Amino acid sequence: GAVVSQHPSRVICKSGTSVKIECRSLDFQATTMFWYRQFPKKSLMLMATSNEGSKATYEQGVEKDKFLINHASLTLSTLTVTSAHPEDSSFYICSAHSLNSYNSPLHFGNGTRLTVT
Amino acid sequence: DQQVKQNSPSLSVQEGRISILNCDYTNSMFDYFLWYKKYPAEGPTFLISISSIKDKNEDGRFTVFLNKSAKHLSLHIVPSQPGDSAVYFCAARVGTSGSRLTFGEGTQLTVNP
Repeated sequence: GAVVSQHPSRVICKSGTSVKIECRSLDFQATTMFWYRQFPKKSLMLMATSNEGSKATYEQGVEKDKFLINHASLTLSTLTVTSAHPEDSSFYICSAHSLNSYNSPLHFGNGTRLTVT
Repeated sequence: DQQVKQNSPSLSVQEGRISILNCDYTNSMFDYFLWYKKYPAEGPTFLISISSIKDKNEDGRFTVFLNKSAKHLSLHIVPSQPGDSAVYFCAARVGTSGSRLTFGEGTQLTVNP
């Protein structure tokens, strides 16, 4: 089945530094990838939609200059948390769907636990 | 505006019995619904889905029911197994698979041996 790989699974960084999270579709091509954020005991909140070869579409309230998204190829999207602060600590999850499968469900990566100290 | 709601944050059932997880939605444009299962520190895993043109979809121990008039869907797991213990998210979307998903808050299911 479709596999989405997310890296790293855990990262701890200091305030003010930047962190890059990678999301790869391993056995399928994805024109669209989605980035979600999950707060403890809360739902998954969509942050942005990443489109291959074009600018990402951000949800209301998400700072695009803080959460930089790049979707350089049909198998890779990256999320960079710039100038991280402790309130950015969260669980970030990416998802993608297969280019060639109509009505296919989204497949998710295993998430990245970001802790900003 | 929470368009997809799971009003029960937790559910506990005995092994072998039926688990029923409920989900309500407000957006009448949603035409495809999915259930995901999630373990801690992992991404959600797709379980089962249903199109708005159907009212039931079954896959092994999992059955999803859709009541469009009530804007309600439910996931039935029977028989429940301890390995089913996880958080279950209901999700909905408008249109094709390229569309964004809107998730409910999740329900923690615990199946006791």
